[in-house]
Amino acid sequence: NAGVTQTPKFQVLKTGQSMTLQCAQDMNHEYMSWYRQDPGMGLRLIHYSVGAGITDQGEVPNGYNVSRSTTEDFPLRLLSAAPSQTSVYFCASSYLLGYGYTFGSGTRLTVV
Amino acid sequence: AQTVTQSQPEMSVQEAETVTLSCTYDTSESNYYLFWYKQPPSRQMILVIRQEAYKQQNATENRFSVNFQKAAKSFSLKISDSQLGDTAMYFCAFITRDDKIIFGKGTRLHILP
Repeated sequence: NAGVTQTPKFQVLKTGQSMTLQCAQDMNHEYMSWYRQDPGMGLRLIHYSVGAGITDQGEVPNGYNVSRSTTEDFPLRLLSAAPSQTSVYFCASSYLLGYGYTFGSGTRLTVV
Repeated sequence: AQTVTQSQPEMSVQEAETVTLSCTYDTSESNYYLFWYKQPPSRQMILVIRQEAYKQQNATENRFSVNFQKAAKSFSLKISDSQLGDTAMYFCAFITRDDKIIFGKGTRLHILP
């Protein structure tokens, strides 16, 4: 099993560019989330999904879009990148939230 | 708002010692789950231990155990016989009523040889 796969692992964007961070899991997990990790801030929830076709906002959703057309995939779209979006992004999934999340290996994004 | 607070930004202990990391949380729910995650320098997030709030017994996983005080909303992690490989960021987390897992800001733990 691959678990949770995030691509790319590293990315540099120019201000104003758009891009999609990919996240895929092969464990048939219903719950999926995107977090960003910044120094001293811990992990902050951007968007999450409790199943295909269902998404909701987390703590810091502005500037990001998500969709969940399949159980396996949960891409995160940056609409117009800003330097404030420089961060490490984690995707995570869970079959039952009570068992905690399985995390991807993260994407380090730099916006210049 | 439901929050998680880790009051120790950074700690250092000698190898083989026991260390306790603190976590408090705020929720009005009576049943929920709590977690400790480890993030070593590799950046990978690893689930260390989980606790179900309706269970009185504290969870234990090898050298890792928790002290869960529901009334005080406290969930501390104890690492016994600490090893160099325990050096990492440690995050406390819990599930909110609307199916979100929220995290504290983390404690950076250094195990010194």
